[in-house]
This record gives sequence, C-alpha cells and structure tokens, in this order.
Amino acid sequence: QTVVTQEPSLTVSPGGTVTLTCASSTGPVTSGYYPNWFQQKPGQAPRALIYSTTNKHSWTPARFSGSLLGGKAALTLSGVQPEDEAEYFCLLYCGGYQHWVFGGGTKLTVL
Amino acid sequence: EVQLVESGGGLVQPGGSLTLSCEASGFTFSANWMTWVRQAPGKGLEWVANIKPDGSGTYCVDSVKGRFTISRDNAKNSLYLQMTSLRAEDTAVYYCARDQTGWAVAAGWGQGTLVTVSS
Repeated sequence: QTVVTQEPSLTVSPGGTVTLTCASSTGPVTSGYYPNWFQQKPGQAPRALIYSTTNKHSWTPARFSGSLLGGKAALTLSGVQPEDEAEYFCLLYCGGYQHWVFGGGTKLTVL
Repeated sequence: EVQLVESGGGLVQPGGSLTLSCEASGFTFSANWMTWVRQAPGKGLEWVANIKPDGSGTYCVDSVKGRFTISRDNAKNSLYLQMTSLRAEDTAVYYCARDQTGWAVAAGWGQGTLVTVSS
C-alpha cells in the first residue's frame, strides 16, 4: 500500500518563500503520478490549487507553483501572504487498487 | 457558477446504512468524473471513490470496498454514495467533488456532509 508523506508543519515569514514536498513510499514521484495540491483553511472545504504537477487553476494565485524536486512533488509559495496560513495536501495517482492517495498534510504557519 | 450540494449525512449506528447525495449545477455534469473525499474529525483528507462521466467505471479505496458504492444519475445531475456496514472509523465529513480534464482531481468541492457512526 502506497503511503504519501508530507512535512507535518512548516513556518515561513511574510514575504518569504517556502517549498512543501510530497513523497511516495514506492519510489520517486514522476509526472505520471499527476500530483494535485489543495489548500484547506479551518472550517472550510479544501480548495484545489495545482493539478498534473505544474498546472494552475484559473483561481490559483500566481505566487503558488508546482514542480518535481529531488524525486518528490513540490509546491512553492513565493512572496507568502498572511492569508496563505493553512493546511496543504498533495494527492498522487497510484493506480491499481489504490487509485488516488492523499498525503497527510502540511500545516503552514506564517509568522 | 459551479455548485455542489451534499445531503444525507447524520448519525447512524455501527453496522447501519446511509446514502449520501450530491446535487450539481453550473456545469455539464455528464461530462465530468466525480469524486468523494472524506475527512475524519481533526484528520487529513482521504480519497474515497470516483466514477466515470457515464457511470461505466468506478474505483474506491480498499477500506470501503464491498461496503460503499458510488453511482450517478446524469439525468438528475446527481452523485450518490451508498454506505453499508458502517463502522466508527467511517465517521467523517464527506465531500463531493468535481474533476476536470487534464488529471485535475477535485477541482471544485461541495461544503460537505457529516456522517457520525456511533451507538
């Protein structure tokens, strides 16, 4: 069974840059895992940010970008804003029986 | 405007059954894969199941196989999740989500409906 791992928590200063990563227990994450990224604020439904590794939705702020980095999927926030404080989840396509698997989430604090 | 409205959640005893519904509007429902995602209280997201646009194929996570069934009625713009043999660990907010082309999973979400499994 594939396990998808994210940093449990990260802290960044306003205006700074931070990279969140998403790893698969089965090996390097490639574009064939079609990484998706989501943001969730307390008491709200999640919101999609990135799909298929690098693609932004029409509503995704320009400061968010997706990539592959060192065998992991990555979400980079450049010029972090206070409103970016949230939990971020990645989702990977694992095929077979599991189909899609979420990571455990990264709680991002802007301080 | 894309809208997804879930209903059918509530309190159910262990071993019981419940059917969740999701009414969609603002987009061509019959053209989209649809997905159910759940979130246990204070926990992360779990992908539960998805279904092809014409309903000809469905996939679900191992933990619900044989107990949950995803289905849709394109004439009614509605998505369903039939849940049987419910367990305490199925307690969660269940979200209905719309996929988009290009492997964009859960591009749009409903507000969720809470299912509580408890005696």
